[in-house]
Amino acid sequence: QKEVEQDPGPLSVPEGAIVSLNCTYSNSAFQYFMWYRQYSRKGPELLMYTYSSGNKEDGRFTAQVDKSSKYISLFIRDSQPSDSATYLCAIISGGGADGLTFGKGTHLIIQP
Amino acid sequence: GAVVSQHPSRVICKSGTSVKIECRSLDFQATTMFWYRQFPKQSLMLMATSNEGSKATYEQGVEKDKFLINHASLTLSTLTVTSAHPEDSSFYICSARGGPVGGPQHFGDGTRLSIL
Repeated sequence: QKEVEQDPGPLSVPEGAIVSLNCTYSNSAFQYFMWYRQYSRKGPELLMYTYSSGNKEDGRFTAQVDKSSKYISLFIRDSQPSDSATYLCAIISGGGADGLTFGKGTHLIIQP
Repeated sequence: GAVVSQHPSRVICKSGTSVKIECRSLDFQATTMFWYRQFPKQSLMLMATSNEGSKATYEQGVEKDKFLINHASLTLSTLTVTSAHPEDSSFYICSARGGPVGGPQHFGDGTRLSIL
């Protein structure tokens, strides 16, 4: 079982729709949770960072963490064509070693 | 803010060549820098963690003599792929963290390495 599972998609939705992106993880020691957006030929750009269960909102983006279920989500409201990209979940276990464990990334397409 | 610059973006070279990749934090001091590698259709995988002025910590299965990491200042880390072979062809990307352990990491744009 991979440590972080993420559906690679592609996920195609119409402009204006609410997008839900998800990851599951297996290691209960994971403490810090991030979502990155990556455009083609660019590095990952940090969107959301959180370390506790619950919701965190930033503009059109909401990150949700459920540590009891080992499940994290990213919601995008009022999706725009410019949101078309690959979205990566990344997790840190903490305890002094903080290299990121990534999911494979979900390729999101917002149709105009 | 939190800009990381990685150079070069693309390298094509012959087998046996050594290749150096630079990673710079432009507007913050990076106490720790990380190097990742990504093969096609795979996740980004951590190769090593480097702290300024210290030896890098390599992940299991990553050859430290093959992938030399130097983190001589708070804004620069380099990865040298020594005597590169075709199986070293991959996408290499660095990240930098300016805050405490567990804090967010900011990425460069990566280097596409192709060994002929």
